[in-house]
Amino acid sequence: EVQLAESGGGLVQPGGSLRLSCAASGFTVSRNYMTWVRQAPGKGLEWVSVIDSGGRTYYADSVKGRFTISRDNSKNTGFLQMNSLRAEDTAVYYCARGEHDVLTAYYMSYYMDVWGKGTTVTVSS
Amino acid sequence: SSELTQDPAVSVALGQTVRITCQGDSLRSYYASWYQQKPGQAPVLVIYGENSRPSGIPDRFSGSTSGNTASLTITGAQAEDEADYYCNSRDSSDNHVIFGGGTKLTVL
Repeated sequence: EVQLAESGGGLVQPGGSLRLSCAASGFTVSRNYMTWVRQAPGKGLEWVSVIDSGGRTYYADSVKGRFTISRDNSKNTGFLQMNSLRAEDTAVYYCARGEHDVLTAYYMSYYMDVWGKGTTVTVSS
Repeated sequence: SSELTQDPAVSVALGQTVRITCQGDSLRSYYASWYQQKPGQAPVLVIYGENSRPSGIPDRFSGSTSGNTASLTITGAQAEDEADYYCNSRDSSDNHVIFGGGTKLTVL
């Protein structure tokens, strides 16, 4: 069965660090995109970061320079290193498997078909 | 990065048809994908590509695109369809992933 499982969330003080993990089963992380998405309490989904199958990384402006996405192919696991955490980073963090398709000369498709259950990060003193 | 705009809330009578829309410049080069999220649960992909459904998603869910607007249509809405719905695509200029603000669907 294809699954993702996040871990590593918790309570951290402002300015602190956390490392989230996303363990994959049933597929190989290096062959897909891995996306991190967060959801602050009562708010909508917010994209955080993505690493593509070639290892290229992209970040939302709100986390660029503070968060680092990576993966360990030998462990079939993705990671999100979060530094200099702020109160506004408080959220449930989801990892998701991303698929990128070039469908026609004019249209592409990007979607996330497998999601973990999420891990909660609380930044508070 | 560009943005995706959704109506905050939509309602539909049980068994009727409802359309949820998503607008943004990125939709001129990326098809929208759509996610259903119920309280306390992770999002679930319901539509991707031009109009594809993952296995297990009922065929009452369908998608379409016209210009810079994508639509998710539920034909014959059921009580269990009450949820938040998010559209998503990618910005081809900077490769950022984009989410709409979400639409809360109420089934009356």
